Amino acid sequence: GAGVSQTPSNKVTEKGKYVELRCDPISGHTALYWYRQSLGQGPEFLIYFQGTGAADDSGLPNDRFFAVRPEGSVSTLKIQRTERGDSAVYLCASSFRPSPPHNEQFFGPGTRLTVL
Amino acid sequence: LAKTTQPISMDSYEGQEVNITCSHNNIATNDYITWYQQFPSQGPRFIIQGYKTKVTNEVASLFIPADRKSSTLSLPRVSLSDTAVYYCLVGDWGTGGFKTIFGAGTRLFVKA
Repeated sequence: GAGVSQTPSNKVTEKGKYVELRCDPISGHTALYWYRQSLGQGPEFLIYFQGTGAADDSGLPNDRFFAVRPEGSVSTLKIQRTERGDSAVYLCASSFRPSPPHNEQFFGPGTRLTVL
Repeated sequence: LAKTTQPISMDSYEGQEVNITCSHNNIATNDYITWYQQFPSQGPRFIIQGYKTKVTNEVASLFIPADRKSSTLSLPRVSLSDTAVYYCLVGDWGTGGFKTIFGAGTRLFVKA
């Protein structure tokens, strides 16, 4: 595909349930990022992958959040025991390289997660 | 990562030039300055990146003074479609860590 894709576009779940959000980065991009964005706020960094490994997971809010990228392309963000406070738009981005110059991140359209 | 400060909001009219200034007093030697644009219900989109002096591309210019403690994003002849949030980011995303901090950004509203 031409850009970063994310599925589903919308996800409604109940408090306490488990959810998985998927990101397909641009082919050839080794760097992959997850963010979440609440209304009126800028994107909040969650985790960064270089290849298959999580190089920086300092933004994950707690141990209910986990992300994987087993083959160095597609990534899945997993949220256990969802809480109403997890409701947000979850954004994925990829870049050809993580460090400047020319490390621009290309973002997907996001997954809107609503926890009832 | 260098902390950035930018105006919360700005208003402009169609056809005017808009300049958004970002302060980053503790910028490090290896840090670059990057600007993103975000429309409602979309992910951010890269606009421009620079290290020093002036960078220009087809949509914007970035002015960076010699001390690099601030930078100015310049949008020539804005249109209604330039209404968006603009984020200034500073970092080397390497030795300084890979965390990308967007902050609250500057909400630009372009009026007819």
